[in-house]
Amino acid sequence: GAVVSQHPSWVICKSGTSVKIECRSLDFQATTMFWYRQFPKQSLMLMATSNEGSKATYEQGVEKDKFLINHASLTLSTLTVTSAHPEDSSFYICSASQTREQYFGPGTRLTVT
Amino acid sequence: KNEVEQSPQNLTAQEGEFITINCSYSVGISALHWLQQHPGGGIVSLFMLSSGKKKHGRLIATINIQEKHSSLHITASHPRDSAVYICAVETSGSRLTFGEGTQLTVNP
Repeated sequence: GAVVSQHPSWVICKSGTSVKIECRSLDFQATTMFWYRQFPKQSLMLMATSNEGSKATYEQGVEKDKFLINHASLTLSTLTVTSAHPEDSSFYICSASQTREQYFGPGTRLTVT
Repeated sequence: KNEVEQSPQNLTAQEGEFITINCSYSVGISALHWLQQHPGGGIVSLFMLSSGKKKHGRLIATINIQEKHSSLHITASHPRDSAVYICAVETSGSRLTFGEGTQLTVNP
């Protein structure tokens, strides 16, 4: 089956620093990648949709200057959390889609101290 | 009111029991997804449905488009089925809106 990887799986950073999370589709080309955030005991929330070679579409309330998304190739999308603050601590999950199916990455747990 | 409502929120069962998790939604959808999230956080897609019924092993998913309702059934439940089960509806542009999940615990 289709495999999506994320790196790193967990990261701890200091407040004010930036963190980059990678999402890769390992055995298929993903025309669309999605980034989600999940706070403890809550469901996933879509942050943005990215298509290869074009600007990401952000959901209402998500700051595009804070959460930079780059979808440079059909197998790689990156999410950069800029000037991270403790309230950005969360579980970030990507999914990749080629047709209708979405394949989810294992997630990245970000802790900002 | 959330666009996607799941019930129950928590469910405890004994091994071997038949389990049903329900999902109701209030928007027009192109498909409905059932996902499984394990304690480590990883998510597995179980089903994508736009009509009728699908079966995979001990899992069965049904959807009634007119009633805007879907159910996920697990037959002969096992402790390894313990996880959070999430219903998500797909709207325009393959966007997913998620329910809050059902925490299932199956005791041996």
